[in-house]
Amino acid sequence: DAMVIQNPRYQVTQFGKPVTLSCSQTLNHNVMYWYQQKSSQAPKLLFHYYDKDFNNEADTPDNFQSRRPNTSFCFLDIRSPGLGDAAMYLCATSRDRAGDTQYFGPGTRLTVL
Amino acid sequence: AQSVTQLGSHVSVSEGALVLLRCNYSSSVPPYLFWYVQYPNQGLQLLLKYTTGATLVKGINGFEAEFKKSETSFHLTKPSAHMSDAAEYFCAVTPGTNAGKSTFGDGTTLTVKP
Repeated sequence: DAMVIQNPRYQVTQFGKPVTLSCSQTLNHNVMYWYQQKSSQAPKLLFHYYDKDFNNEADTPDNFQSRRPNTSFCFLDIRSPGLGDAAMYLCATSRDRAGDTQYFGPGTRLTVL
Repeated sequence: AQSVTQLGSHVSVSEGALVLLRCNYSSSVPPYLFWYVQYPNQGLQLLLKYTTGATLVKGINGFEAEFKKSETSFHLTKPSAHMSDAAEYFCAVTPGTNAGKSTFGDGTTLTVKP
C-alpha cells in the first residue's frame, strides 16, 4: 500500500509557467519534506513542515514555495520555472525529526522546456 | 554542523562478490546514521539505520553496516551481491536532537556484473 504518494510522476512545463507538485501521505506523520534531486546528486532539502510550522532552507530560492493545508497533503509551487529547475522532486515524511526514518514518495520528474 | 562523504561514486562488483560501500561522517553531536537505496526513477528506501545501542546494524536485503565512532565511519556491506542490488546508495546523517535534519552523501552507484 502506497504511503507517500506524489502526483504527477512526470510533469512537463514551459519556461516561466507556474507549476504545482503534489504530495500526500497516509502515515499521519508530523513532518513533511521537499527535496530537489538532480541527476547523480544527493537530494537537496528545500524546506520542511513540522506540523504547520514551515522551515525554509537558507539557500532555497524564493521561486520555490510550499503549502501544507492539512496533515496529509503538501504542495510544492514553482512560481517561474527556469531550465535549471529541471530535476526530480522528492517528497518525504517522518514521524518526528529526531532520528526518525524518512519515507519517500516515488518522486516527480520535472522537465522545463 | 554535519557532513557525509561517500568514498567512490561508482562501485562495480561481480555477482556473488562482497559489496562494500564506504561512508564517513562528521557531526558535532552524537549522530543518527542511515543508508538508503534508490532504484531508477524511484524515491529513496531505507536499508538500515543506527541510532543507539548495538553498533552492527542489520537491514533489509541482506545488508548490514557497522557504526565505528573512532573512525567516524558507517560502511555498508553485503556478503554476496545479487543482480537486483544494482542501484544508487545514499548514506545520511542526522544529529540526534529534535531539531536535526538529514544531510545526504553524494551517493554511490553500485553495478553488479553477471
